[in-house]
Amino acid sequence: DIQMTQSPSTLSASVGDRVTITCRASQSISSWLAWYQQKPGKAPKLLIYKASSLESGVPSRFSGSGSGTEFTLTISSLQPDDFATYYCQQYNSYSHTFGPGTKVDIK
Amino acid sequence: QITLKESGPTLVKPTQTLTLTCTFSGFSLSTSGVGVGWIRQPPGKALEWLALIYWNDDKRYSPSLKSRLTITKDTSKNQVVLTMTNMDPVDTATYYCAHSLMGPLPFDYWGQGTLVTVSS
Repeated sequence: DIQMTQSPSTLSASVGDRVTITCRASQSISSWLAWYQQKPGKAPKLLIYKASSLESGVPSRFSGSGSGTEFTLTISSLQPDDFATYYCQQYNSYSHTFGPGTKVDIK
Repeated sequence: QITLKESGPTLVKPTQTLTLTCTFSGFSLSTSGVGVGWIRQPPGKALEWLALIYWNDDKRYSPSLKSRLTITKDTSKNQVVLTMTNMDPVDTATYYCAHSLMGPLPFDYWGQGTLVTVSS
């Protein structure tokens, strides 16, 4: 099984900050990596797929990078609507695995 | 417009079998490449992928839960059904269904989720 880890688990930041979240896979997943945003009581929202492709309608302040086993999600200038929990996910035709999540809260 | 909605019991007893139905619109599970998956989230915890079924009836399961899960589709009703046997209180969670495409691609459209509590 492919295991996913994320760091940090919690991140305190202010509006306007540049925020970076790291996701690591236990083995190479090429670029089959997605990022989701989830707010309390809501379903996750897809932000990034194939490591760096921005889902339609997602603000350009979100970006993703990486390949193989190490990936990052960057929010270039944190907005009030961005305080949420972020999950990475590896996906392929055979299985999906989510990371443990990173909560971004107000500093 | 793609929508998905989960339905099923809100409360099940330990050892019982859970049956959840995902009813969707805006796409067809007879279209090449289309898939529907199930994901759950215990209260305050992370997302966990459970199962995925594709248009060609190819099925994928989480290795850790494979022995307890069955996923099926009814293309004529636009529904996907997930059954989970031998429910335990640790299975208490919000269960989501979601749309995917074989590409592979991640889950791009999600249902609102349904909370299932396991308690005697």
